[in-house]
Amino acid sequence: GESVGLHLPTLSVQEGDNSIINCAYSNSASDYFIWYKQESGKGPQFIIDIRSNMDKRQGQRVTVLLNKTVKHLSLQIAATQPGDSAVYFCAENTNAGKSTFGDGTTLTVKP
Amino acid sequence: NAGVTQTPKFRVLKTGQSMTLLCAQDMNHEYMYWYRQDPGMGLRLIHYSVGEGTTAKGEVPDGYNVSRLKKQNFLLGLESAAPSQTSVYFCASARRGPDTGELFFGEGSRLTVL
Repeated sequence: GESVGLHLPTLSVQEGDNSIINCAYSNSASDYFIWYKQESGKGPQFIIDIRSNMDKRQGQRVTVLLNKTVKHLSLQIAATQPGDSAVYFCAENTNAGKSTFGDGTTLTVKP
Repeated sequence: NAGVTQTPKFRVLKTGQSMTLLCAQDMNHEYMYWYRQDPGMGLRLIHYSVGEGTTAKGEVPDGYNVSRLKKQNFLLGLESAAPSQTSVYFCASARRGPDTGELFFGEGSRLTVL
């Protein structure tokens, strides 16, 4: 279940597979980007961030890629687990004090 | 450490009624935000505050008012509720501007306007 370049509202993957979630941002002045995970009935929680002077950043099982040329952000989750099922949002930030969120992708992990 | 606490968690209103949602954070954060989330959509910013005594309009401010009289509290008011304001409302805070770090969210307040 990979989707390169396209934002999809839903993504379904098998447990153990890798997941790629895409996001297009709109503001060329955005210089800081965050991926959030929102589980059902809860508020969004921070997963990983990246600044505009970087094109890749890795965390535990997650990697964020930034392509400023086409204003595209992606989140890669390695060895996806059932606990990864959630809605994932990207957020773009400027120094103007506001975060703007994308529409979100619902990730479903099948056992 | 409670983080960001929203009250109430659930509320049902009739059209035209008023109410206030309270957000409290115990992290000494400067910035606070109110977002609304509708089914299948991302979070849309209603109002925000960059410090005690200051507020600013976000993307969808109409029909809402806010106050930040104390640094730790950010209140969202609906003066005359409308069915279009049925939504889940999230409060968030940040240590400084969102370009310096993540937002910390509350658990949400589900509002239904009949």
